[in-house]
Amino acid sequence: QSVLTQPPSVSGAPGQRVTISCTGSSSNIGAGYDVHWYQQLPGTAPKLLIYGNSNRPSGVPDRFSGSKSGTSASLAITGLQAEDEADYYCQSYDSSLVGVFGGGTKLTVL
Amino acid sequence: QVQLVESGGGLVKPGGSLRLSCAASGFTFSDYYMSWIRQAPGKGLEWVSYISSSSSYTNYADSVKGRFTISRDNAKNSLYLQMNSLRAEDTAVYYCAREVGSDLYFDYWGQGTLVTVSS
Repeated sequence: QSVLTQPPSVSGAPGQRVTISCTGSSSNIGAGYDVHWYQQLPGTAPKLLIYGNSNRPSGVPDRFSGSKSGTSASLAITGLQAEDEADYYCQSYDSSLVGVFGGGTKLTVL
Repeated sequence: QVQLVESGGGLVKPGGSLRLSCAASGFTFSDYYMSWIRQAPGKGLEWVSYISSSSSYTNYADSVKGRFTISRDNAKNSLYLQMNSLRAEDTAVYYCAREVGSDLYFDYWGQGTLVTVSS
């Protein structure tokens, strides 16, 4: 059971917009800790996608965006492409200073 | 460019020990916190442990506390994870990751090393 809750799967057709939610609690996201997102393509290591709730590292397309409100966060992907098919994980920290991840969301591009 | 290369994984019997290593290059290793994160087969990511840049601070997930020890050698640009009293549920790919200490996220990851605990 992961500390942060994500939907197990989402799907969308090419060109569509999808969102992935990440729900925490008052001891992690709600305590003011930032939320970060990672993309894991099949058979590869995770890659940083969004940091500090809404910031994109260099090289990440602006089709990816993040937001945070209260005890939750979300990742939005617009203009869905076949190459976006991957697992997506949110991550934050807990007030006991342990890292916490969501259970992951598998994105299927129809 | 930043590179993190893990090694030391393998097959070990329950109750056994293993030491993982992570060789870092392409950045000033001594400036960064480092973490170990694992992923059981077909499962999600689980944070395992972190260590501060000067080794002053460490922390562990409850699932490994008392069994795993994180350490680093800044002179060798290397991170380690000593794993004792291994259990079947420790079977996973173990990633080392560079942590941006001020904002608590992982900006670079290694390719991972597989640890299998089985009799």
